[in-house]
Amino acid sequence: GENVEQHPSTLSVQEGDSAVIKCTYSDSASNYFPWYKQELGKRPQLIIDIRSNVGEKKDQRIAVTLNKTAKHFSLHITETQPEDSAVYFCAAPSISSGSARQLTFGSGTQLTVLP
Amino acid sequence: DAGVIQSPRHEVTEMGQEVTLRCKPISGHNSLFWYRQTMMRGLELLIYFNNNVPIDDSGMPEDRFSAKMPNASFSTLKIQPSEPRDSAVYFCASSPLAGGPGANVLTFGAGSRLTVL
Repeated sequence: GENVEQHPSTLSVQEGDSAVIKCTYSDSASNYFPWYKQELGKRPQLIIDIRSNVGEKKDQRIAVTLNKTAKHFSLHITETQPEDSAVYFCAAPSISSGSARQLTFGSGTQLTVLP
Repeated sequence: DAGVIQSPRHEVTEMGQEVTLRCKPISGHNSLFWYRQTMMRGLELLIYFNNNVPIDDSGMPEDRFSAKMPNASFSTLKIQPSEPRDSAVYFCASSPLAGGPGANVLTFGAGSRLTVL
């Protein structure tokens, strides 16, 4: 099955600075890489995702980059704000029977944006 | 759409009791997933269904856990008998059809926080 490793486990940045979270995956057939944000006591929510036919995707202050050769992808948050403080999870699908169905999640990164 | 609906939101029970968690996926989503979240183990996939059929239950911890999906709009996760180590937040999630534009995009429910004393 898929093995997803995420780091760092904790990250503190000053408001306005950038934050970068990195993940590696093991299944070279994986073709979809989402990032979820989970605020304290809430459900994980999808914030951005990328499919394997592109190398980068941006949505306002967040971006995801993908390096399929090295099997890693990263989340970039620019101009961080206190409301960005949360746990962020990366994920990658386990490919079985030719159809990617279940996501394996990384261990999470607790991001704290200091005012 | 009201999203993925889970109940109960909180459950406190005593060791040995039966626990049943319920989930209503988003209408039209044909895949349903049960995840467990703990500080120690993070988000773990327990089981998932495609078109109401269980596909992979290798994540189910042991025989005390069972899951059913009798129809496209309802699933249950049952723990019998419950143990203190089962205390966790249990999330249900659903996604659209594989191969379509929304494939693999999970929408999570609010979760059921289970405490077993």
